Amino acid sequence: EIVLTQSPVTLSLSPGERATLSCRASQSVRNFLHWYQQKPGQAPRLLIYDASNRATGIPARFSGSGSGTDFTLTITSLEPEDFAVYYCQQRYNWPRTFGQGTKVEIK
Amino acid sequence: EEQLAESGGGLVQPGGSLRLSCVGSGYSFSRLWMHWVRQAPGKGLEWISHVNNEGTFTAYADSVKGRFTISRDNANSMIHLQMNSLRAEDTAIYYCVRDQFFAFDLWGPGTMVTVSS
Repeated sequence: EIVLTQSPVTLSLSPGERATLSCRASQSVRNFLHWYQQKPGQAPRLLIYDASNRATGIPARFSGSGSGTDFTLTITSLEPEDFAVYYCQQRYNWPRTFGQGTKVEIK
Repeated sequence: EEQLAESGGGLVQPGGSLRLSCVGSGYSFSRLWMHWVRQAPGKGLEWISHVNNEGTFTAYADSVKGRFTISRDNANSMIHLQMNSLRAEDTAIYYCVRDQFFAFDLWGPGTMVTVSS
């Protein structure tokens, strides 16, 4: 099973600041790595698929990069609605696995 | 509008069974893979099961293998999750999820399963 480790666990930032979230895989997943956003009381939403492709309707301030074992989700300028929990997930093999999540909170 | 809607959650005793269902609408259901993902209270996401578009291939997390069975009914745009031998650690919100581009691109609102005596 591929283990995904996200860092930091919590990121405290102000609106307008840049957020950089990391996801590290226990083995190479090539570029088969996705990112999701989850707000309290809601289902997750797909943000980025295959490392760097924005899903439909996702604003351009969200971007993804990386390949192999190291991946980054960047939010260039945080909007109030971006404060949430973010998960990475690999689709390289079975079982599909998620990282433990990074909470982006208002400083 | 493309939507997924789960049903069948509730309170069940340890060792009991429950069957979850999910109906898809607003898109060509039979073309796409489907999954179940769960989230225990205050915890992260856990993928637990997958079925391909024809229902001929399934996959399970080790935590549910041998106890849960996924199936699909394309005629009615539905998938099901039969859950047997339920344990306290199965308590979670269960999400029905569509797979497009090998990503989880559409999620239902979830149904809560509570395993407790």
